[in-house]
Amino acid sequence: EDQVTQSPEALRLQEGESSSLNCSYTVSGLRGLFWYRQDPGKGPEFLFTLYSAGEEKEKERLKATLTKKESFLHITAPKPEDSATYLCAVRGGSNYKLTFGKGTLLTVNP
Amino acid sequence: NAGVTQTPKFQVLKTGQSMTLQCAQDMNHNSMYWYRQDPGMGLRLIYYSASEGTTDKGEVPNGYNVSRLNKREFSLRLESAAPSQTSVYFCASSAISGSGTDTQYFGPGTRLTVL
Repeated sequence: EDQVTQSPEALRLQEGESSSLNCSYTVSGLRGLFWYRQDPGKGPEFLFTLYSAGEEKEKERLKATLTKKESFLHITAPKPEDSATYLCAVRGGSNYKLTFGKGTLLTVNP
Repeated sequence: NAGVTQTPKFQVLKTGQSMTLQCAQDMNHNSMYWYRQDPGMGLRLIYYSASEGTTDKGEVPNGYNVSRLNKREFSLRLESAAPSQTSVYFCASSAISGSGTDTQYFGPGTRLTVL
């Protein structure tokens, strides 16, 4: 059974204070690791897909990296508008099923 | 493009009542999905439709039925609502189920309360 564990559950940062969110996973044959951002009362918004260890992707202040056991979402010089819940999901051997973690609630204070 | 749309946005039901949640996508995607999201738990798949004319059970299908009405629309029906079905329901769609580039895009959600 695929499993995803995200840490920490919640993270408070000051504006400009860089940090990283962790997504640890166990999956039989990784076919994709996905990061989403979710604002309160909204649906998840797609950020990145990573497919193989060593892969990195960047978007504005966010950078996602992938190893064989975990993924990190690095946030550089965050702004208050980066405050949201960040979700990690994996697709394993199944054709369709995404297994989601419980998310990390990020709060960036001005 | 509107992407994935869901109706209604909010709904309150009494135990035993029935209702249908509607979902539509305008991205010409083949696959569509229904998830529920509960506090302290990750998103869990209820049902999915890999292509028009097919539906399959996900992780938590009990108490739900689905209909893939056409390529654009995928509905979720609660025949006899129970308090345990109080949740936020999300519909998602993707281009091709199971492909390496199969990113799922989500709608805004329906917040359902069953009293």
